[in-house]
Amino acid sequence: QKEVEQNSGPLSVPEGAIASLNCTYSDRGSQSFFWYRQYSGKSPELIMFIYSNGDKEDGRFTAQLNKASQYVSLLIRDSQPSDSATYLCAVNFIDTGNQFYFGTGTSLTVIP
Amino acid sequence: DGGITQSPKYLFRKEGQNVTLSCEQNLNHDAMYWYRQDPGQGLRLIYYSQIVNDFQKGDIAEGYSVSREKKESFPLTVTSAQKNPTAFYLCASSQGVFNNSPLHFGNGTRLTVT
Repeated sequence: QKEVEQNSGPLSVPEGAIASLNCTYSDRGSQSFFWYRQYSGKSPELIMFIYSNGDKEDGRFTAQLNKASQYVSLLIRDSQPSDSATYLCAVNFIDTGNQFYFGTGTSLTVIP
Repeated sequence: DGGITQSPKYLFRKEGQNVTLSCEQNLNHDAMYWYRQDPGQGLRLIYYSQIVNDFQKGDIAEGYSVSREKKESFPLTVTSAQKNPTAFYLCASSQGVFNNSPLHFGNGTRLTVT
């Protein structure tokens, strides 16, 4: 059984701070890793994807991947109230024919 | 603009009725997916399809059926056999198996069965 785990939160940070979101997964054969943001009542939207070990930066967002530890994280710098949402971690396991497995999401609140 | 269109946005049905949710994409993606999301929960895979005329069950396929007669379309039927059909249903697509490409989502259909 493929598993993707996230702390459900809620995570609260003050405006301007760094928010750190974490995700672990069960299978070393995982290939691709994605972070989605979901506002209440809306569909998920892609924030970042990462395939290789290390850091990947895009604006205020940084994804970090450590395949040996089966761990992927998302850092949000200079957090804004508009970042308040649920963040979903998704993993594409290589041996399941392109199936995407999702964690339950971490709820983030940025306090003005 | 390319995207995924789900319809309707809201759907209300009586218990015991089958209902079909529409999903159309014009992204020329090979793979399409149906997920279900319950309040406070993550996304659970119902069915997915990598190519036309082929599809596979996900983790919670019981009580659901799909078809993939055209590349652009992947309708989901919620049958009366589905015990708890009230949920938010999300259709998604990706380029395919060998592309490491992400999922792109439609806006979802919120189904309420009473």
